[in-house]
Amino acid sequence: DQQVKQNSPSLSVQEGRISILNCDYTNSMFDYFLWYKKYPAEGPTFLISISSIKDKNEDGRFTVFLNKSAKHLSLHIVPSQPGDSAVYFCAASGISSSNTGKLIFGQGTTLQVKP
Amino acid sequence: DSGVTQTPKHLITATGQRVTLRCSPRSGDLSVYWYQQSLDQGLQFLIQYYNGEERAKGNILERFSAQQFPDLHSELNLSSLELGDSALYFCASSVAIAPDTQYFGPGTRLTVL
Repeated sequence: DQQVKQNSPSLSVQEGRISILNCDYTNSMFDYFLWYKKYPAEGPTFLISISSIKDKNEDGRFTVFLNKSAKHLSLHIVPSQPGDSAVYFCAASGISSSNTGKLIFGQGTTLQVKP
Repeated sequence: DSGVTQTPKHLITATGQRVTLRCSPRSGDLSVYWYQQSLDQGLQFLIQYYNGEERAKGNILERFSAQQFPDLHSELNLSSLELGDSALYFCASSVAIAPDTQYFGPGTRLTVL
């Protein structure tokens, strides 16, 4: 049972435009969400997070939106740059006896930003 | 650089062997997590330690074990290795138990021949 899903395996956008990466989750106990960026042969790099008490968090070019009723979050990158080309993972965590601490990851979306 | 270090970077071994992967968390972080990334699967949580004690377990095989030492570094031991154990193994650390941002190390690529 995949609790965190990224339904788009890949996304291609033009430099300077907006990139929107989507993520859906099924477990209503999740209350903390994160986005990571990953280059080949490197570890995931933390980008931005959001707690379930908020519906938006912004950090520079990166904004994460959370829609709890739809169990959906999205990452917006504006403007997109060629250096943003990487695999993006959505992850979720929750305060419960069964999953305290651990992150549940989506399968990832490969973003390509074309110059 | 996340501040989390992992050694070795690459490891090639044979089936049936045993290996130890090492992780040093960021300074000040008490929680250490281990994740496995196989070719056909995403990042899968294996186990978490907090200040020396096991805190949470995921889909970790019985052939795998881990521990966190008093200096907070952690080791993941993989024994009776099988071809299917070939994967990237990542360590992450955070200050608190949860929910908290986890910072990942560069990973150890294990190849079992």
